[in-house]
Amino acid sequence: AQSVTQLDSHVSVSEGTPVLLRCNYSSSYSPSLFWYVQHPNKGLQLLLKYTSAATLVKGINGFEAEFKKSETSFHLTKPSAHMSDAAEYFCVVSRYNTGNQFYFGTGTSLTVIP
Amino acid sequence: EPEVTQTPSHQVTQMGQEVILRCVPISNHLYFYWYRQILGQKVEFLVSFYNNEISEKSEIFDDQFSVERPDGSNFTLKIRSTKLEDSAMYFCASSSDTDTQYFGPGTRLTVL
Repeated sequence: AQSVTQLDSHVSVSEGTPVLLRCNYSSSYSPSLFWYVQHPNKGLQLLLKYTSAATLVKGINGFEAEFKKSETSFHLTKPSAHMSDAAEYFCVVSRYNTGNQFYFGTGTSLTVIP
Repeated sequence: EPEVTQTPSHQVTQMGQEVILRCVPISNHLYFYWYRQILGQKVEFLVSFYNNEISEKSEIFDDQFSVERPDGSNFTLKIRSTKLEDSAMYFCASSSDTDTQYFGPGTRLTVL
């Protein structure tokens, strides 16, 4: 079975400091993993994805994530937070090769303090 | 950049009424999905649709729910007789393959 656990429901950082949003996954198969971001009243926007190529994945807006199979983790990081990064972030796992069904984490709300 | 659109953004209905939520997927995409998020809970998969038929559905997607692609552009979710517990944000998504899904902004359904 597939599932994800986002370890923090809320994260607060100061502008210009690093961001770390934590995600652990469980999958019976080789997973595809994604991070999506949702700004208020907007849809879910893809930040980045891992699909069994390079373990360090770079996404949009300076975000990146590292797939660590030994730790079953896929944490999202950014070296320097910007005010516009304030949003809800979702870690998602899907079944490799069958795709279709996405399994979402509960989300992490990121606050950026000026 | 192409996007998935959904209408209406907010729908209020009385319990027992039928609702239809509409989605326009990205034009060259072949796979379509509905998800929902009850307030304070996870986003949950409802159904996926490919080649004019349901390819996968969750246990949430019971006989009260149906999906349709009535023309070449729209993808709809119908709830026949709404219940209070159907109140949620409903997200439509589409993909060109079985990998990355692109999501719409959601329809907030409120059942009174």
